[in-house]
Amino acid sequence: EADIYQTPRYLVIGTGKKITLECSQTMGHDKMYWYQQDPGMELHLIHYSYGVNSTEKGDLSSESTVSRIRTEHFPLTLESARPSHTSQYLCASSDSWGKETQYFGPGTRLLVL
Amino acid sequence: AQSVAQPEDQVNVAEGNPLTVKCTYSVSGNPYLFWYVQYPNRGLQFLLKYITGDNLVKGSYGFEAEFNKSQTSFHLKKPSALVSDSALYFCAAYTGRRALTFGSGTRLQVQP
Repeated sequence: EADIYQTPRYLVIGTGKKITLECSQTMGHDKMYWYQQDPGMELHLIHYSYGVNSTEKGDLSSESTVSRIRTEHFPLTLESARPSHTSQYLCASSDSWGKETQYFGPGTRLLVL
Repeated sequence: AQSVAQPEDQVNVAEGNPLTVKCTYSVSGNPYLFWYVQYPNRGLQFLLKYITGDNLVKGSYGFEAEFNKSQTSFHLKKPSALVSDSALYFCAAYTGRRALTFGSGTRLQVQP
């Protein structure tokens, strides 16, 4: 098992609420990622970071935002949750030394009512 | 544009039989190729990867994959399937861009 953690594992919340999904890793990896996984199984990259104070949008447009103030921490925030945000969110990290193996957290399953 | 294709949404195999999960890629350069497995309510777990060298790569849980440059394929194989192998399998490629490019996933069902 990789040392990458996500909380909460499950979240049910009402429309309009602000939420933050936590992701942390203890492997000292520079690169971190957020993926959204839809019910059809496909993974969509929504955010990534090459290091502290570096964040970029991914391939899938998302209303969420991220921050990277510390190497080990990469939280994702939704300012106003909507039912269309219902999905599974997976966090991952990888090293910067050419091996590029990504290690994934267990995921957060979000349901917005 | 680079892409990874997994042509089968689902693969069914009987326990004890060999299994193959197919993956083809369309990327520039010399890609790193990966296989991941996802069990229910879990994140993805790394199985194996190809970077260079021997075209047959061995990974976790008895899985192996064969890199075929001429066919741009990287099929996942196992000589004898177990019921516990039932899961979602993802193929992915990395070519120096920002992140892995994942295939759409294949659900493997192993019947007892």
